[in-house]
This record gives sequence, C-alpha cells and structure tokens, in this order.
Amino acid sequence: KNEVEQSPQNLTAQEGEFITINCSYSVGISALHWLQQHPGGGIVSLFMLSSGKKKHGRLIATINIQEKHSSLHITASHPRDSAVYICAVRWAGGGADGLTFGKGTHLIIQP
Amino acid sequence: DAGVTQSPTHLIKTRGQHVTLRCSPISGHKSVSWYQQVLGQGPQFIFQYYEKEERGRGNFPDRFSARQFPNYSSELNVNALLLGDSALYLCASSWDGGDSPLHFGNGTRLTVT
Repeated sequence: KNEVEQSPQNLTAQEGEFITINCSYSVGISALHWLQQHPGGGIVSLFMLSSGKKKHGRLIATINIQEKHSSLHITASHPRDSAVYICAVRWAGGGADGLTFGKGTHLIIQP
Repeated sequence: DAGVTQSPTHLIKTRGQHVTLRCSPISGHKSVSWYQQVLGQGPQFIFQYYEKEERGRGNFPDRFSARQFPNYSSELNVNALLLGDSALYLCASSWDGGDSPLHFGNGTRLTVT
C-alpha cells in the first residue's frame, strides 16, 4: 500500500525557533502538497512541489525526489504558526486516485 | 473572488438517514474532489469530478455517491448513515484536477448519532 509518513506527530517549540517537519513517501509521485489546517477544520494550501525548493515568507519547502522525502521549514516561528501541517501526495500515474495524506504534524508555538 | 464554499457547515443526523453535502468551487475551476477527515487523522480521498465526469473514487462503500453539475458545483450524498461516518467532509477545487494548485473549503462537520 502506498503510504505517506510524517514526523514528528507533535511538536512544541518556543517563539523564534526554527521548525522542521518531515514527510516521506513510498513510491514515485507527480506532486507533493504542504497544507495547513487550523482548529475548526479549514485547510490552506501552502506549497505544491514536484522538485527543488520553494519559499514564501518565513516558510520554505524542499523535496528530494531520489530519497522520496520532503521537508517544511518555518523560520522565526510565531504563535500564529500553531496549526496542523499536513503533507499530501499525488502518486505518479495515479491522477484518478486523488491525494494521499499524511496524518499531520500538530505544531504549537509558545510565546 | 469567493473561495470554495461548502454547505451546511454543521449537520447532525441519525443512523440510517441520508445526507447531502454541497460544494461550490472557485469560479473557473472545473474539478472538485471530496475528502473525509475523521478526528485525529489525515483526510481520505472519496471522489474526484472533472467536467461533470467522475475521474476517481477512493475506497469508500457504495453508500457514498457524488455528482457534478453543469456550473461545476458538486454534491456528496451518503445513504444509510453509520456512526463511523461522523467526520469533517472537505471539498477542494482546482482548475484541471491534475497537478494544479488546490483550494479547500472549510468543510462540513457531520455528526451521526
């Protein structure tokens, strides 16, 4: 079964710390998404990657296709970054199967 | 421009009943996909529609069905509700349903008692 694994499951850090969330997947993909979900449920798409690196403000996402691994980094973390971060992939050749999601990383940034 | 809108936001139903959830995509988006998120888990893919045709189906029983209308809005129907159907149901739209950016609605929280 094709799987997406995220680590850590839970992360608590102090304001200002550099945060890294990891995502590994089992087989080839056509795209990887990083999503942010706040309490109440709404999901915001942060990045969509198929190779390399993307940056938006304090957020950086990288992907290593050979190692089947992606990371989401948050620089100068802030309490408003507290949320669940979810990695989701579309399997290569599996466009009709929708996305497969990781279980999410619950991030808490303390002031 | 309005984002993806879902209705209702919350719903309480009894076991055995039927429910219809609705989703309006972002204007210009032709693809809608549905996901079920049980508390504490990541979302699970249910259906994807593109240009009113079913493009993909996840591992859900036949009690789950969906359709997409000519204006690209979509309905998700669930028959013979079970307690285990209690979840957040998320709709996402994209321009072409492939690897274009996804936009999610805020979801419908369904409670089955």
